[in-house]
Amino acid sequence: DVKVTQSSRYLVKRTGEKVFLECVQDMDHENMFWYRQDPGLGLRLIYFSYDVKMKEKGDIPEGYSVSREKKERFSLILESASTNQTSMYLCASSPHRADPEETQYFGPGTRLLVL
Amino acid sequence: GQQVMQIPQYQHVQEGEDFTTYCNSSTTLSNIQWYKQRPGGHPVFLIQLVKSGEVKKQKRLTFQFGEAKKNSSLHITATQTTDVGTYFCRGDASGTYKYIFGTGTRLKVLA
Repeated sequence: DVKVTQSSRYLVKRTGEKVFLECVQDMDHENMFWYRQDPGLGLRLIYFSYDVKMKEKGDIPEGYSVSREKKERFSLILESASTNQTSMYLCASSPHRADPEETQYFGPGTRLLVL
Repeated sequence: GQQVMQIPQYQHVQEGEDFTTYCNSSTTLSNIQWYKQRPGGHPVFLIQLVKSGEVKKQKRLTFQFGEAKKNSSLHITATQTTDVGTYFCRGDASGTYKYIFGTGTRLKVLA
């Protein structure tokens, strides 16, 4: 079974803090994704990565950065957290770079509250 | 830009009633996938449709992809309490990884 884990289920941070959200997958998947999920807006892509050290902006990258130093780990960084970044953050992975039709496997999510 | 609208946003049904959610895209899709997210859980893949007019069934669930590959539907026959959750469609027009998720339909089943 594919396992995608996220470092925290719940996180409370203050405005202006630097926040790290970590995601690890154990199935040697090439592609990894970060989404945020908000009521009425569905899942919106922040960044994705198709290889180590490679990253591509999604639809809402502003205020976020990512890091992929190892294949199994994809980190989302909020350089200076703001209240409008309060959300549920979902990490996902999929096996092969060359096949966009593949299934995505999601982690359990991190619910972030920025005060 | 590409948009995928999903309706309804919420649906409450009595156990045993049928349920349908619809996805409509502003552009032609290369494929569509459906995911289910249980309350407090994460999205889990249900099925993928690729061909124009394709229909697939999984027990009480029937999935359709429109002839023009711009819309899709998920129909559940005789809902059960285990069907509770949010159903998302995921579309891709450009064959890249910039998938567009529908806004989701939250289903509540009343026993």
